[in-house]
Amino acid sequence: DIQMTQSPASLSASLGETVSIECLASEGISNDLAWYQQKSGKSPQLLIYAASRLQDGVPSRFSGSGSGTRYSLKISGMQPEDEADYFCQQSYKYPYTFGAGTKLELK
Amino acid sequence: EVQLQESGPGLVKPSQSLSLTCSVTGYSITSNYWGWIRKFPGNKMEWMGYISYSGSTSYNPSLKSRISITRDTSKNQFFLQLNSVTTEDTATYYCAKKFLGWFAYWGQGTLVTVSS
Repeated sequence: DIQMTQSPASLSASLGETVSIECLASEGISNDLAWYQQKSGKSPQLLIYAASRLQDGVPSRFSGSGSGTRYSLKISGMQPEDEADYFCQQSYKYPYTFGAGTKLELK
Repeated sequence: EVQLQESGPGLVKPSQSLSLTCSVTGYSITSNYWGWIRKFPGNKMEWMGYISYSGSTSYNPSLKSRISITRDTSKNQFFLQLNSVTTEDTATYYCAKKFLGWFAYWGQGTLVTVSS
């Protein structure tokens, strides 16, 4: 299975601060990567797919980048509603695998 | 808009089978792919498997001997059965619509606790 190492496990950001979360795959995944946001008590929401494509309806302050084995999610200007857990997921090979998650809190 | 809703028992005894239903509205399950994903206490997420528009299935090898995903197209529902459960199967179970490799639509999730 492809291992997805996500970092950091948690972080705290101030209003308006730019935040980055990373996922490192155990082998190249050819941009077959998605990012999800999960707010407390809610189901996950797809933010980014194919490493950098913004899902419809997702604010433009969210962006994704990367290639090969290293990918990142950036939030340009932390907002209160961005407080949530964030997960990466690879779909390059079955079984699909997820990162361990990052808990983002507003400072 | 497509909506998914999980249903089933919230408590299952060890060694028994876990059975969940995903009811889909707004989209036919005879199109696209429909999957099950679970989130364990402590936040680890695991893709369990999917059923395709044609009824073919793909499962996570870690579960292959215990899992079955089936469907009822007349009711626009698909189902998860997980046999011989242990306490390690305690998780929140989600059904989701798969688009290429991504899950763009999710149910609200249902917590299943395995306990005697």
